[in-house]
Amino acid sequence: NAGVTQTPKFRILKIGQSMTLQCTQDMNHNYMYWYRQDPGMGLKLIYYSVGAGITDKGEVPNGYNVSRSTTEDFPLRLELAAPSQTSVYFCASNALGEKLFFGSGTQLSVL
Amino acid sequence: AQRVTQPEKLLSVFKGAPVELKCNYSYSGSPELFWYVQYSRQRLQLLLRHISRESIKGFTADLNKGETSFHLKKPFAQEEDSAMYYCALDYKLSFGAGTTVTVRA
Repeated sequence: NAGVTQTPKFRILKIGQSMTLQCTQDMNHNYMYWYRQDPGMGLKLIYYSVGAGITDKGEVPNGYNVSRSTTEDFPLRLELAAPSQTSVYFCASNALGEKLFFGSGTQLSVL
Repeated sequence: AQRVTQPEKLLSVFKGAPVELKCNYSYSGSPELFWYVQYSRQRLQLLLRHISRESIKGFTADLNKGETSFHLKKPFAQEEDSAMYYCALDYKLSFGAGTTVTVRA
């Protein structure tokens, strides 16, 4: 099993550009999450999903959008990139009440 | 609102010395708590969860509801324990800010 796969691993964007961070899992997990990790700030939840077709905001959703059309995929979209979105992004998934499985992360710089 | 606080950003100990990472939480319901670890160049992974009451890699953590704490302890730190540790609370899986542990020879 591949687990949780995130792409790309690195990306540099210009202010105002858009991009989608891809996340897919092959463990048939209903729950999926997007976090950002800023230096010294820990992980902050951006959006999460409890199943296909259901998404909800986390702690820091502004500037992001998500969709969950299938159980496997949970892409995160940045519509108008801003320098404040420079961060490391992690996708994760789990079954209800069970441990999280994390992707390897995407390092995003907005210049 | 739920919150997880890890008061120490950095913790440095000598090999063989005890190490304790503090975690305090605030949550109105019955909490489920976890410790996750991120070794250098590796993914975040679960270290242990309070509900399983197990010891992983010599680490233990006890949930103290009276003090709303879930501190992580190891009696004899090893160099391979150097990593970043996150305390997490279930319900939208809120994470603390993390503690970077360095174990020196």
